[in-house]
Amino acid sequence: GAVVSQHPSRVICKSGTSVKIECRSLDFQATTMFWYRQFPKKSLMLMATSNEGSKATYEQGVEKDKFLINHASLTLSTLTVTSAHPEDSSFYICSAVSDSTYEQYFGPGTRLTVT
Amino acid sequence: SQKIEQNSEALNIQEGKTATLTCNYTNYSPAYLQWYRQDPGRGPVFLLLIRENEKEKRKERLKVTFDTTLKQSLFHITASQPADSATYLCALDIAGGYALNFGKGTSLLVTP
Repeated sequence: GAVVSQHPSRVICKSGTSVKIECRSLDFQATTMFWYRQFPKKSLMLMATSNEGSKATYEQGVEKDKFLINHASLTLSTLTVTSAHPEDSSFYICSAVSDSTYEQYFGPGTRLTVT
Repeated sequence: SQKIEQNSEALNIQEGKTATLTCNYTNYSPAYLQWYRQDPGRGPVFLLLIRENEKEKRKERLKVTFDTTLKQSLFHITASQPADSATYLCALDIAGGYALNFGKGTSLLVTP
């Protein structure tokens, strides 16, 4: 079946640094990808919609200058958390919508810890 | 504001029984509703999608019902097994698109 990967699976960074998370669709093309974050025992919250070749659309309350999204190809979207703070520590999950089947697949998630 | 509520945080049942999970929503007219399984430290895995004009859908031991009048979906796992232990998430579409609004999930524990 279709697979979406995320890299890294876990990352620890120091406060004030930036960290990049990759989301790849491995065997299908995806013009549209989504980024979610999930706090412990909470639901997934949509952060932004990533569209290949155009600017990302951010949900209300999500700072676009802090969470930079780049969707430069049909199989890769990246989320960069800039000037990370401990409150950015969370589980970040991406999903990708297949251009051919319109089915949506989720990645395995990236655990970010900011110290 | 739009709300999705899953009936309980945790549900414990005995192996072989039927697990029934509830998802209620308010201030919403979803085009479809989905159920996902999430294991600890992992991303959600799609289980079933049911559209607004469908009452019921089945897949192997899984059954989903969708009552748009009650604004409720029920998710059933029959002949439950310990391997079914996980968190189950209800998700609704946002404005008919692919982006989803998730409930908090119900943690199911199936004991032998």
